Amino acid sequence: GAGVSQSPSNKVTEKGKDVELRCDPISGHTALYWYRQSLGQGLEFLIYFQGNSAPDKSGLPSDRFSAERTGGSVSTLTIQRTQQEDSAVYLCASSLSGQANEQYFGPGTRLTVT
Amino acid sequence: QKEVEQNSGPLSVPEGAIASLNCTYSDRGSQSFFWYRQYSGKSPELIMFIYSNGDKEDGRFTAQLNKASQYVSLLIRDSQPSDSATYLCAAMDSSYKLIFGSGTRLLVRP
Repeated sequence: GAGVSQSPSNKVTEKGKDVELRCDPISGHTALYWYRQSLGQGLEFLIYFQGNSAPDKSGLPSDRFSAERTGGSVSTLTIQRTQQEDSAVYLCASSLSGQANEQYFGPGTRLTVT
Repeated sequence: QKEVEQNSGPLSVPEGAIASLNCTYSDRGSQSFFWYRQYSGKSPELIMFIYSNGDKEDGRFTAQLNKASQYVSLLIRDSQPSDSATYLCAAMDSSYKLIFGSGTRLLVRP
């Protein structure tokens, strides 16, 4: 079946602009996670959704970052007033439920802030 | 601060050998552990998960967990050049998010 999809695959934006990243989870997966991976670094947790609610937003690095999920499916991660340090690959993962289930990753969005 | 530690490598092994990748974690509350393989420029791909102490085998891969020592390992038997990648160890915390190590780069020499 279809895996996690993300769009766009690449995004180049100027410093100070807002960007919106999209994630479409595996059908039937109720839990959705956003992570980011800076060049040569490990993955950093950003936010977790169970259904449409976000029980854990602890990883969002600043109030410029926000995310929402509607209809228990698609999620968007919005970064306002982008900074160069926001440049990274943003990865979305989904799992069957918000419990100890395996998380499957999408292909990621590579964000470059110039 | 919950942490997962891995040796960054590279770990270099000849083709056909056993590659042994190790990981330690700090959060004693973690119950589930995952190994992901990541090729350069690609997203992580789940290859193994383990919840119970002991060994879990899947094909050429064996995951080992020792909760008393807070230690997880991944053995890859009959290593192939196509196994060359970065291997990420992750521990799931009590709020179901994954805490990742920085990864071990594996090189399998033909």
